Amino acid sequence: DQQVKQNSPSLSVQEGRISILNCDYTNSMFDYFLWYKKYPAEGPTFLISISSIKDKNEDGRFTVFLNKSAKHLSLHIVPSQPGDSAVYFCAARRGAGSYQLTFGKGTKLSVIP
Amino acid sequence: EAGVAQSPRYKIIEKRQSVAFWCNPISGHATLYWYQQILGQGPKLLIQFQNNGVVDDSQLPKDRFSAERLKGVDSTLKIQPAKLEDSAVYLCASRPLQGSVHNEKLFFGSGTQLSVL
Repeated sequence: DQQVKQNSPSLSVQEGRISILNCDYTNSMFDYFLWYKKYPAEGPTFLISISSIKDKNEDGRFTVFLNKSAKHLSLHIVPSQPGDSAVYFCAARRGAGSYQLTFGKGTKLSVIP
Repeated sequence: EAGVAQSPRYKIIEKRQSVAFWCNPISGHATLYWYQQILGQGPKLLIQFQNNGVVDDSQLPKDRFSAERLKGVDSTLKIQPAKLEDSAVYLCASRPLQGSVHNEKLFFGSGTQLSVL
């Protein structure tokens, strides 16, 4: 049972354009969402997060949007850079006090120079 | 600040052999996790420690996998005997104490890539 779904295995974007990565979840108990970025042969690194009480969080070129009613979140990268090429994982935490993360399968982003 | 250290980086074994992975979390991080990431999948939690106690091992295949965190710092994950389907990257992660400004985030090591032949 995939509680966190990233339905696009891959995405290609031209340098300078916007990258939009999507994530859907099924568990209404999830209250905190994170995006991790992973380069080959490295562990995932934290990118940005959002609490379920917010609908937007921005950090430089990265913005995460949360639509609770649709159980959907998206990560926007503007402008995209070649160094952003990586696998992006959406992760969700279930309730305060539960510090376990459930991950999606990831989306491989390729930014073409 | 030193990150989460894991060793070895790569391990190749034959099925039915045993293998062990080691993790040293970030200093002061009380919570430690082992995740399994199969190719093409997201990381899946195997076990969570708080200091040297197990918080959750519900997804750990206990007939072949074991983990310990003696003294609440380093941790080892063992597989005995290994199966072909255990081929994966084994990621260790740690988290600061509750109340820390970063306590929502997990910090991951680079992982151990296991190939079972």
